[in-house]
Amino acid sequence: EAGVVQSPRYKIIEKKQPVAFWCNPISGHNTLYWYLQNLGQGPELLIRYENEEAVDDSQLPKDRFSAERLKGVDSTLKIQPAELGDSAVYLCASSSRQGSADTQYFGPGTRLTVL
Amino acid sequence: AQSVTQPDIHITVSEGASLELRCNYSYGATPYLFWYVQSPGQGLQLLLKYFSGDTLVQGIKGFEAEFKRSQSSFNLRKPSVHWSDAAEYFCAVGRPQAGTALIFGKGTTLSVSS
Repeated sequence: EAGVVQSPRYKIIEKKQPVAFWCNPISGHNTLYWYLQNLGQGPELLIRYENEEAVDDSQLPKDRFSAERLKGVDSTLKIQPAELGDSAVYLCASSSRQGSADTQYFGPGTRLTVL
Repeated sequence: AQSVTQPDIHITVSEGASLELRCNYSYGATPYLFWYVQSPGQGLQLLLKYFSGDTLVQGIKGFEAEFKRSQSSFNLRKPSVHWSDAAEYFCAVGRPQAGTALIFGKGTTLSVSS
């Protein structure tokens, strides 16, 4: 079974430019997460989807970040315009239900460098 | 508020020696607990998880962890470390409701000396 797929793996852009990240979750996983991981830190949630619906986007900086999951499968996270402080790893995860609990599986991440 | 503390930022262990990585959490009820490992340039791989039942859980790669409610701890152990275990280890806590976000600690970097 394929894992969570993310692309690109690495991205270098100039500040004020737009950038987009793509995620394909594990087949059959209805819940999709985007996490931000700064250097030397653990991941922090940006947004969580249940199928097409964003059910938790309280930590997403909505002035410059946007996300979508149009058909309840793939998802795209966008930053426009990017700032120097956005340099980080952006992780996508998906989860399956096991009774009342779920286990999150992570993709390899996209490492963004803003110059 | 939920939080996870990993007191050790960096640990160095000799190959073949035993390992224990500490994790303490703050949570109002029984949490779901996880350990993930991240190798350089890679995503997070699940090592093991605790939802309920037996407080000693076995994971992949020879790792185990023990949930101690009285100490709010979920320490990760391995009896004999291999050089390939060098990586960053993250402890995480999730709420019992399925589909909620994980709260991660800041991680512990493990170095293995020969």
